[in-house]
Amino acid sequence: QVVLTQSPSASASLGASVRLTCTLSSGHNTYAIAWHQQQSEKGPRFLMKLDSDGTQTKGDGIPDRFSGSSSGTERYLTISSLQSEDEADYYCQTWGAGIVLFGGGTKLTVL
Amino acid sequence: QVQLQQWGAGLLKPSETLSLTCAVYGGSFSSYYWSWIRQPPGKGLEWIGEINHTGNTNYNPSLKSRVTISVDTSKNQFSLKVNSVTAADTAVYYCARAALVIIDYWGQGALVTVSS
Repeated sequence: QVVLTQSPSASASLGASVRLTCTLSSGHNTYAIAWHQQQSEKGPRFLMKLDSDGTQTKGDGIPDRFSGSSSGTERYLTISSLQSEDEADYYCQTWGAGIVLFGGGTKLTVL
Repeated sequence: QVQLQQWGAGLLKPSETLSLTCAVYGGSFSSYYWSWIRQPPGKGLEWIGEINHTGNTNYNPSLKSRVTISVDTSKNQFSLKVNSVTAADTAVYYCARAALVIIDYWGQGALVTVSS
């Protein structure tokens, strides 16, 4: 069964860049994932689908500041030119053994 | 533009049945799976289950015994029932669209509180 692991927290300064990581469990390096953003007191928002080869398919209206990349079992979300509204929880998500799975989420603080 | 709009009772007593419905506007209803996901206060996301237009369902094994998801293709709607609720079922419940393995649209969420 695939497992998604995320660091609980991350921080970066306004205007800087940050890279968040979602790690797939061993042996699941071909899995695609999705990245979702959840701002405080709001519902989640789909950011992008990220394939194992790094191909990304973004959701409606997602700015170019958000990009994804892949390496082995790691899936990355890079946010450049950080803005205050990027402070949020970020979840990765995939599907395995007939069920949808989420990582535990990373809380991003913009300093 | 795809929109998911959900509604249902927000306050339940222990042992009652949770009932939510989600209406889908825009896009193809028959080409996707339609999911329910919940988030307890201060916690992460938990997938409950999904259904497609033919009524084929998949459920999270941890909730399967208490959950029923149904579909009404004439209205482009799908529904969630969770029976015998307890305080542990208190959460914001989201409906969502699943495109192959990926959730790509979310409803606005509905807080369901279970309290005596």
